[in-house]
Amino acid sequence: DTGVSQDPRHKITKRGQNVTFRCDPISEHNRLYWYRQTLGQGPEFLTYFQNEAQLEKSRLLSDRFSAERPKGSFSTLEIQRTEQGDSAMYLCASSLIRGDEKLFFGSGTQLSVL
Amino acid sequence: GQQLNQSPQSMFIQEGEDVSMNCTSSSIFNTWLWYKQDPGEGPVLLIALYKAGELTSNGRLTAQFGITRKDSFLNISASIPSDVGIYFCAGPELAGGTSYGKLTFGQGTILTVHP
Repeated sequence: DTGVSQDPRHKITKRGQNVTFRCDPISEHNRLYWYRQTLGQGPEFLTYFQNEAQLEKSRLLSDRFSAERPKGSFSTLEIQRTEQGDSAMYLCASSLIRGDEKLFFGSGTQLSVL
Repeated sequence: GQQLNQSPQSMFIQEGEDVSMNCTSSSIFNTWLWYKQDPGEGPVLLIALYKAGELTSNGRLTAQFGITRKDSFLNISASIPSDVGIYFCAGPELAGGTSYGKLTFGQGTILTVHP
């Protein structure tokens, strides 16, 4: 299967700890996106990359959040000094640059901050 | 930013019934996307619409791009238990009149199908 892969699927951490999530996009996709979803809401955009360049960051992305896509392939999202409000599903998606706007999502990483 | 409003918020139907849900926006969209999300999973793309008035089907699913470009509709015919889930509409934000793939999502319609 060559879909979007995210790891880990679940993460439980204590407040104040750092966590890192990984996303492997569909191999030929140039764009990679990170979204956050809380219970009862639709996904909210956090940031996106075109190849290795991070082109936009949402105001939702505080200074404690950092995302990288060093070689234009996989991406990591790190949250430093986690807070209980960071508990959410973190979704990664990828797409081609061809104007059809179709984003393909991974299964997500469910973060619980205790 | 752009906001999408979905209705109804939830639906409880009997297996075999048809379902209709919609999504409205205060601003125009050039593309409408419909996704389905199962518990603990990411959204799965169902249908993409690109032209005002367009009607597109995917099996028992049919979606329409409203002629005002401010709304879209999703219909499911002859519902089955595996249709259970949350249905989201989404559209790309326009930057300078050109969309660039950053999606705004509605809050979702929760569908429950009783056997």
